[in-house]
Amino acid sequence: GNSVTQMEGPVTLSEEAFLTINCTYTATGYPSLFWYVQYPGEGLQLLLKATKADDKGSNKGFEATYRKETTSFHLEKGSVQVSDSAVYFCALSLNTGTASKLTFGTGTRLQVTL
Amino acid sequence: DGGITQSPKYLFRKEGQNVTLSCEQNLNHDAMYWYRQDPGQGLRLIYYSQIVNDFQKGDIAEGYSVSREKKESFPLTVTSAQKNPTAFYLCASSMGRTGTDTQYFGPGTRLTVL
Repeated sequence: GNSVTQMEGPVTLSEEAFLTINCTYTATGYPSLFWYVQYPGEGLQLLLKATKADDKGSNKGFEATYRKETTSFHLEKGSVQVSDSAVYFCALSLNTGTASKLTFGTGTRLQVTL
Repeated sequence: DGGITQSPKYLFRKEGQNVTLSCEQNLNHDAMYWYRQDPGQGLRLIYYSQIVNDFQKGDIAEGYSVSREKKESFPLTVTSAQKNPTAFYLCASSMGRTGTDTQYFGPGTRLTVL
């Protein structure tokens, strides 16, 4: 079956530090990959996505590259801010029909301190 | 403003009672989804609907029921058969053109069984 594995948190960083959150996947086929972010008490917001191998998704200083050879989609940001504190979810979906059924990782909590 | 609304934000229920969670979208999306989120876990798919008057079970449908009588609405009923209903419930929608369309999430409903 399909699955997504994320590094466990919490990840605690000082402001302006470099961020990496690891994500690897297992899928039967060629998935699209997503990073979603969840702020406390809220729903999920799409952060970035990539739909094929070697694609790089980017948004708000965050980046992730779809690596088919290592089945990975690691999230990176060069300089984090306190406002980036949230839970980050890696997810995949397969192009099987018209409903995009997402498989999520367990989430990684990021805490950024001054 | 286009978006997804869920109500209520907080819901309390006594054991043995059914309860219905509301989800409405004005994005003109064909596909809608219900997820359950438990602490420290990723989101798990309960039900999804690709079109009006049609819906399919997700990974954890037991104890839940849905209807899709209108394009804009996808209510979820948590029945007394659901053994552990206390959780955060998230509704989402997507265009429904391909299996890799972006899903957009509502703010969630936190259900607590007393």
